[in-house]
Amino acid sequence: SQELEQSPQSLIVQEGKNLTINCTSSKTLYGLYWYKQKYGEGLIFLMMLQKGGEEKSHEKITAKLDEKKQQSSLHITASQPSHAGIYLCGADGGGATNKLIFGTGTLLAVQP
Amino acid sequence: NAGVTQTPKFQVLKTGQSMTLQCAQDMNHNSMYWYRQDPGMGLRLIYYSASEGTTDKGEVPNGYNVSRLNKREFSLRLESAAPSQTSVYFCASSEQGLTALHFGNGTRLTVT
Repeated sequence: SQELEQSPQSLIVQEGKNLTINCTSSKTLYGLYWYKQKYGEGLIFLMMLQKGGEEKSHEKITAKLDEKKQQSSLHITASQPSHAGIYLCGADGGGATNKLIFGTGTLLAVQP
Repeated sequence: NAGVTQTPKFQVLKTGQSMTLQCAQDMNHNSMYWYRQDPGMGLRLIYYSASEGTTDKGEVPNGYNVSRLNKREFSLRLESAAPSQTSVYFCASSEQGLTALHFGNGTRLTVT
């Protein structure tokens, strides 16, 4: 079965700094999804990447998909306290059914 | 806009007790999912329903049953709760398969 590994597991940055979170798949990625979770809440969809080399941005968050490396990266520019939370990547679990599997998440703290 | 509503928000059970977690969505979505979230394990798929009238097992279905009551509602039942089922349970829905998932705010279950 496909597995997603995220790095780092946790990250503390000063407000205004840039940061990158990585998601590596054990199998070829056919679609990669990024979600954000605030403490005590459900996940919020950020963006979806489907094509190798694809890059998408939402406000100060940019995600890229590198199919050859079976990786995706999430980059936050000029981090703000509102960026704090858990970031999870998700991918098609494979097979003939529509199942989304998730990585273990990256906990981001932004210090004012 | 309610989105995905889960009840209850918190629950404490004793080993062997049964309960049903309720989930309803008002977005006319076809697909619905149940996940559990545990520290260090990320989100794991318990069961999913690709469309009304169908249900399928996910990664960790043992000890659970589900019912897709209608297009709006997807319930998760624990017949005989065990301490290993202590977790945060999330319900999610999507318009069709692996498009963006919309999550509820979770049910925090403790089994003593």
